[in-house]
Amino acid sequence: IAGITQAPTSQILAAGRRMTLRCTQDMRHNAMYWYRQDLGLGLRLIHYSNTAGTTGKGEVPDGYSVSRANTDDFPLTLASAVPSQTSVYFCASSVTFEGKTGELFFGEGSRLTVL
Amino acid sequence: GQNIDQPTEMTATEGAIVQINCTYQTSGFNGLFWYQQHAGEAPTFLSYNVLDGLEEKGRFSSFLSRSKGYSYLLLKELQMKDSASYLCAVVDSNYQLIWGAGTKLIIKP
Repeated sequence: IAGITQAPTSQILAAGRRMTLRCTQDMRHNAMYWYRQDLGLGLRLIHYSNTAGTTGKGEVPDGYSVSRANTDDFPLTLASAVPSQTSVYFCASSVTFEGKTGELFFGEGSRLTVL
Repeated sequence: GQNIDQPTEMTATEGAIVQINCTYQTSGFNGLFWYQQHAGEAPTFLSYNVLDGLEEKGRFSSFLSRSKGYSYLLLKELQMKDSASYLCAVVDSNYQLIWGAGTKLIIKP
């Protein structure tokens, strides 16, 4: 089934450790996004990429980095995890054209706990 | 600042109709999305409005008034499977999505 895949689905991590969340899509969407979702708050954009080779910072980028080497993959890295990064992380993709954003397709989420 | 307001939680009865409101104050407007999110799952697309008026899609309808900064999602003939959170998101002048915190809808038999 075509779509967007995230890994791992769940992870417990010690503070200070490095962690990479993987995201792959096979829909050939040009734009990809990483969000975090915390109880009582809306989805908050961490980083985004409008096309392969380019990335941008969202609302809450500190402590996170991304890369977009090709169209399909958009990994999110926590260089040194802290407990405040405990959250559910969603990767999403969409088609954008002349700046306009189409429907977002979401991965199943990665639940990360930092102790 | 940019702000999206939705009720935190609503309760409705199976078979009934419920309206979930969303008001927004954003830097520009380039469309409004509604997504459904079941507990522990990913959000899934329900509707998109960019012009004023009502968009109907089966049991679900979405309304937009740009002059009032207001939208609602109308769910008819409620089913137990409609128990979920409903997320409102506005596309701002930079074509970035601004998300509300979501409305948790509880359906009772």
